Amino acid sequence: GQNIDQPTEMTATEGAIVQINCTYQTSGFNGLFWYQQHAGEAPTFLSYNVLDGLEEKGRFSSFLSRSKGYSYLLLKELQMKDSASYLCAAPGGSAGNNRKLIWGLGTSLAVNP
Amino acid sequence: DAGVTQSPTHLIKTRGQQVTLRCSPKSGHDTVSWYQQALGQGPQFIFQYYEEEERQRGNFPDRFSGHQFPNYSSELNVNALLLGDSALYLCASSNDRVGTEAFFGQGTRLTVV
Repeated sequence: GQNIDQPTEMTATEGAIVQINCTYQTSGFNGLFWYQQHAGEAPTFLSYNVLDGLEEKGRFSSFLSRSKGYSYLLLKELQMKDSASYLCAAPGGSAGNNRKLIWGLGTSLAVNP
Repeated sequence: DAGVTQSPTHLIKTRGQQVTLRCSPKSGHDTVSWYQQALGQGPQFIFQYYEEEERQRGNFPDRFSGHQFPNYSSELNVNALLLGDSALYLCASSNDRVGTEAFFGQGTRLTVV
């Protein structure tokens, strides 16, 4: 079956570094997305990985290992505004059609002063 | 450039009624996907429209139907509303390329009483 797993909650301190993990099982593979969602708002795109390795984008980096079905989102120099839910998503669907996104439940990150 | 717009933002309906939600995709996008997001959950894929046809569908009953117009805007219709249909309904637009990031509207908060 198709499934995405990520921790439900994490807590970190302002200025620190936090790593949010995601494991996935999808039919075929066409990359992995990370989105940020503040309470009551729509998800916003953070990153997309299709090749193995680390991609850095400012304070946020995303890592992918296709052989392990594993990804993580790394947030550096945490700020209070980073308190949000972080959603891992991968295209999934029947063979030959990978356009719908399969989503994890989201990791709720609380950044404390 | 307007992003993805959804209307209405909030809606209260009575059990058994019907509802229509609307979405205008981001300029240049031709694919619209609809998601249902219950509180504390990740988005659940309802269906996707491309070239005015439903191209892929998630595990939702036939009470959920949709439409895409020639200008790429879309509607989501839900008949015979149940209390469990209360959720945030998100519209996401994208280009018709696997792996393309999706841009989300602010969502419609539907409450069924």
